[in-house]
Amino acid sequence: DAGITQSPRHKVTETGTPVTLRCHQTENHRYMYWYRQDPGHGLRLIHYSYGVKDTDKGEVSDGYSVSRSKTEDFLLTLESATSSQTSVYFCAISERAAENIQYFGAGTRLSVL
Amino acid sequence: GDSVTQMEGPVTLSEEAFLTINCTYTATGYPSLFWYVQYPGEGLQLLLKATKADDKGSNKGFEATYRKETTSFHLEKGSVQVSDSAVYFCALSVSNQGGKLIFGQGTELSVKP
Repeated sequence: DAGITQSPRHKVTETGTPVTLRCHQTENHRYMYWYRQDPGHGLRLIHYSYGVKDTDKGEVSDGYSVSRSKTEDFLLTLESATSSQTSVYFCAISERAAENIQYFGAGTRLSVL
Repeated sequence: GDSVTQMEGPVTLSEEAFLTINCTYTATGYPSLFWYVQYPGEGLQLLLKATKADDKGSNKGFEATYRKETTSFHLEKGSVQVSDSAVYFCALSVSNQGGKLIFGQGTELSVKP
């Protein structure tokens, strides 16, 4: 199994509070991704990173920010959580963009009340 | 924009039945195509892939052929087992977009003994 750790695995928070989710990899892969999974939508890309300090937006980036200060860590921040951000969040890593096999973490289940 | 459409689930089959899960795509470039599988409570795992037209991906008895003329990548298995019960996602990536994956909405498969 690819060495990907997401933390926390479960979180319950209140509307308006900041939340940070962490993805840690031990594979030294260049690319890292954050997705959210919602019923009927599959997985949708929030943000991705193609190197340290290099990030770009995905299709559902509003309300989210990311940071990557080290190869192994990719943080997803909800500046002010809303109930619409209740979801399961998955981190993925990939060695290269071509053929792009992505390896996924176990997910973080976030509930915003 | 690029998109993936899967047949809706849930799909319920008896053990040893034949499985087909339909997947069609729309893409402006030359995508790679993937099937991922998600077992309950886990992240996604790559099941198989194909990187160019007429390629056939295969793994664990599952197969899918990249059909450019019909823009399809249908998943098939000749004889399903109870252990195949999971959610299956079809996805595409275009390498000049940072290797981003675009997923279908997922198809839940339930195999009964």
